[in-house]
Amino acid sequence: EVQLVQSGGEVKKPGDSLKISCKGSGYSFTNYWIGWVRQMPGKGLEWMGIIYPGDSDTKYSPSFQGQVTMSADKSISTAYLQWRGLKASDTAIYYCARLALYDFWSGYFTYWGQGTRVTVSS
Amino acid sequence: EIVLTQSPGTLSLSPGDRATLSCRASQSIGSSSLAWYQQKPGQAPRLLIYGPSSRATGIPDRFSGSGSGTDFTLTIGRLEPEDFAVYYCQQYYTSPGSFGGGTKVEIK
Repeated sequence: EVQLVQSGGEVKKPGDSLKISCKGSGYSFTNYWIGWVRQMPGKGLEWMGIIYPGDSDTKYSPSFQGQVTMSADKSISTAYLQWRGLKASDTAIYYCARLALYDFWSGYFTYWGQGTRVTVSS
Repeated sequence: EIVLTQSPGTLSLSPGDRATLSCRASQSIGSSSLAWYQQKPGQAPRLLIYGPSSRATGIPDRFSGSGSGTDFTLTIGRLEPEDFAVYYCQQYYTSPGSFGGGTKVEIK
């Protein structure tokens, strides 16, 4: 069974650093792109970017380029989303999700993590 | 970057009604690069439709998708109580991908 299990909720202060995780299981982690999706409180879904764990190739949305960093450790089947210098506007739920097709960057998300709630407040 | 516009923002219907949701792209996304998701409160989104008319595993046949180019439609044949939720379209024709703003299907 394919599963994506995300790290727990976080409460941080503006300016803090943060790294959240997404652990995949039940499939070949290195061969499927993993995406990150933001959902701000009461709002819709935003496509942030995708990473290929096999070689850590990344594609960012221009809206998130330079604001976050995606990475992956294929040895432990885990993808990460990192901030240096959180802002209140980063308060949101962040989902990881796996793209549908083997070894192909374009696609829809077939499997989703449970979401990580990040709260940034002074 | 491709912008997806969903309409209406909210659809107020009764169980048993037919629901028609629209997703319009700012430029052509071809004939197949669109997916639909359902999201219920407190839950992660769930894939419903891709390609744009193929149902994901376990999705009942009252859900159907159609369209090409810039105009796509999700139809729910007869609304069941569990279908009241928010629905999002997503294009994967280009990188970055993008989602529409969502349509909330609420009980009238």
